Amino acid sequence: EDKVVQSPLSLVVHEGDTVTLNCSYEVTNFRSLLWYKQEKKAPTFLFMLTSSGIEKKSGRLSSILDKKELFSILNITATQTGDSAIYLCAVEGTGNQFYFGTGTSLTVIP
Amino acid sequence: KAGVTQTPRYLIKTRGQQVTLSCSPISGHRSVSWYQQTPGQGLQFLFEYFSETQRNKGNFPGRFSGRQFSNSRSEMNVSTLELGDSALYLCASTNYGSYNEQFFGPGTRLTVL
Repeated sequence: EDKVVQSPLSLVVHEGDTVTLNCSYEVTNFRSLLWYKQEKKAPTFLFMLTSSGIEKKSGRLSSILDKKELFSILNITATQTGDSAIYLCAVEGTGNQFYFGTGTSLTVIP
Repeated sequence: KAGVTQTPRYLIKTRGQQVTLSCSPISGHRSVSWYQQTPGQGLQFLFEYFSETQRNKGNFPGRFSGRQFSNSRSEMNVSTLELGDSALYLCASTNYGSYNEQFFGPGTRLTVL
């Protein structure tokens, strides 16, 4: 059965901390892994990863994929209260179907 | 380019009723996927339509159905509503190419009383 597992389920940190969010997957015919940020509305796209070992970076956020060990991490450095959100990991597999994890709820305290 | 739109944004129904949700994808996108999001279950895949055909289907009962029109707009219908159907229903559109990215609409928040 195809599945995506995210950890931790929730996280509370102080502003300025660095956090690492994990996403492991077992998906047939892997095509890509995507990270989304969801606040009180629709998930918004952060990164798409297709190749192992190549870090994607956008400001304080970065992500990397390990296709051998079947996982990805999302790092956020110098966290801010605006980073508080649910972070979703999705993997595209067979038939262009996307499998989502349950998400990691991040709360950044001032 | 306009984003994905969903209507209505909020809906309150009672058990046993039926409901129809609508999604308009980004112009030019031919694929529309529907997801149910609840706090405990996360995002769960309902179905995907591509060029008016259902291409993928998740593990939901037959009360959940959908269709796609020739202009790629999609509707999702839930019949005989149950309390457990209360959720945020998200629609996503995809323009398939070398690599695919789903763009999400704002969702319809359905509450079943």
